Amino acid sequence: NAGVTQTPKFQVLKTGQSMTLQCAQDMNHEYMSWYRQDPGMGLRLIHYSVGAGITDQGEVPNGYNVSRSTTEDFPLRLLSAAPSQTSVYFCASSYRGLTEAFFGQGTRLTVV
Amino acid sequence: GENVEQHPSTLSVQEGDSAVIKCTYSDSASNYFPWYKQELGKGPQLIIDIRSNVGEKKDQRIAVTLNKTAKHFSLHITETQPEDSAVYFCAARATNAGKSTFGDGTTLTVKP
Repeated sequence: NAGVTQTPKFQVLKTGQSMTLQCAQDMNHEYMSWYRQDPGMGLRLIHYSVGAGITDQGEVPNGYNVSRSTTEDFPLRLLSAAPSQTSVYFCASSYRGLTEAFFGQGTRLTVV
Repeated sequence: GENVEQHPSTLSVQEGDSAVIKCTYSDSASNYFPWYKQELGKGPQLIIDIRSNVGEKKDQRIAVTLNKTAKHFSLHITETQPEDSAVYFCAARATNAGKSTFGDGTTLTVKP
């Protein structure tokens, strides 16, 4: 039981490049979400999903796409990287209902 | 949408003293309030949570109190130890909502 696995752990991109941050969970959780963490700004929700085939926007969705074709996977796509997207990204998953969220270890992304 | 405010942003205490972190929320539909601890370079991990039908919950040195009328909840850590030093986040969530709203975090430093 690996929990929530994020890859890669570190990534440097050039402005304008695209990439996909991977997130997988093996706990059969319905809910999955992506957050970015910037200094002094806490965790801000980018996109989330309440089940396979269902996604919705969070607080800061611009510049990011998601899809949820399976229960286990929830990739985050950066379409055209910008320096403002330099951040630490966390994926989280949880059961439906009033339960805790399990977080991955994070992906530290730098856009130059 | 939900708005969660967390205070203070930084907190420094002497080992053995108590630490209190407070959060307020805006959405009366929120009924689940977890607290997460984030150590350097890691993802947040749940340390304690409370549901709206309970006013207080305790787990060894950690306790959480909830005042639904005033829409605020607090984390209390007693007999602090240096290993309690970390960033603490509060969050609020409503039943079957696929997302949580987080506070901006409190950096707790426990001085030996």
